[in-house]
Order: sequence, then C-alpha cells, then structure tokens
Amino acid sequence: AQSVSQHNHHVILSEAASLELGCNYSYGGTVNLFWYVQYPGQHLQLLLKYFSGDPLVKGIKGFEAEFIKSKFSFNLRKPSVQWSDTAEYFCAVRGTNAGKSTFGDGTTLTVKP
Amino acid sequence: DGGITQSPKYLFRKEGQNVTLSCEQNLNHDAMYWYRQDPGQGLRLIYYSQIVNDFQKGDIAEGYSVSREKKESFPLTVTSAQKNPTAFYLCASSQGRNTGELFFGEGSRLTVL
Repeated sequence: AQSVSQHNHHVILSEAASLELGCNYSYGGTVNLFWYVQYPGQHLQLLLKYFSGDPLVKGIKGFEAEFIKSKFSFNLRKPSVQWSDTAEYFCAVRGTNAGKSTFGDGTTLTVKP
Repeated sequence: DGGITQSPKYLFRKEGQNVTLSCEQNLNHDAMYWYRQDPGQGLRLIYYSQIVNDFQKGDIAEGYSVSREKKESFPLTVTSAQKNPTAFYLCASSQGRNTGELFFGEGSRLTVL
C-alpha cells in the first residue's frame, strides 16, 4: 500500500520568507510524485510533478520540489513567498503500477502581507 | 473549454436518503476518480475507474456506489448506509491508467440534515 505523510498542518509566514513543506511517502516500488494546490475558492490544481530524471523539479509560480529517493521525500520549496501563495497544499504519491493516487493530509499556508 | 463539471455544487439531504452526485468530463480521459475531502484529513479515495464499464473500490468505498457506463461520466451515489456522509466530494480524471496527473472538478458539498 502507498501512503503519504505531510509534516506541517498549518504554516504561517510573512511575505518574502522562504518556504519548505515536508512530504514523505511509503511505497515499495517506483513512484510518481505530485504537489497540488488549492487556492481559496478555487479547485485543486497541479503545482508540479516528478516522474523520472532530474530529481529537482520546477513548477508554476516559482515553486520547486526535490525528490530524494533515499529519504522517500519530496519536499516543496519556494525562496520567497507572496501573499497570493496563501492556499492549501497537498502532496500525492502514485505507484507506477497502482493506478491511483494517495494524498497527504494537506498543509494550510497562510502568508501575512 | 475542456474540463470536469460536477453538479450540484451544494446539496442537502435528510438522513436515510440516497443522493447522486454528477461528474462529467470532456477531456477524453480514460480514468476517473472520486475523492472525499474532510478538514485535516486530506483527500481519501472512494472509487476509481480506469475504463468504461469497470471500476474499483478505493480506501473508503463503504456506503458509496458508482457506475461508468460512458467514458465521460462517472456518477457517485451516496447511500443511506454511509454513516458520515457530510463532506466535500471531488471528482477527478487522468488521461490514462499510468499517467498520474489528476484534473479536478470544483467539488460538491453534501450536507446531511
């Protein structure tokens, strides 16, 4: 079975602060990894994804994530957050033979102007 | 515009009643999914379908039923057997079984009175 653990339930930052949201997964094979974002009043959308190749992946709005296989981690980072980054962030894992994605509990990010 | 349409957006029902949530996609995606979103619990998979006329139970299928008679449609029925049906329900699709990125609808919020 696959599972995902997000370490932070609620993060509060001031604008221009750096962000790192933790994500660890459990699965006994090859995985695809994702970060999704849900802005207030909007539907869930893909932020970035890792399938293979360069473990450092870049997404929309200046976000990036690094896949560290030895640590089963896929942490999300942004050097300088903006008020508009206030949202809920979900990490997800999909075993390549699983046919389905499993999500973490989510992290609510609040950025103070 | 291509996308996923869920209806109704808000729904109220009395205990003991079944209710069906609609999900339609015009993305020509093979796979469709139903997730339930509760505060602090992330997204939990209810049912998924990778091809027409076939579907599999997810992690929390009890009290729910689905059908997949057409590629573009994947309705979810919340039955009276579901003990805690008040929740936000999200429908998603992906291009194929092994393509991981999910596209989400705007969700349906069900409240049981």
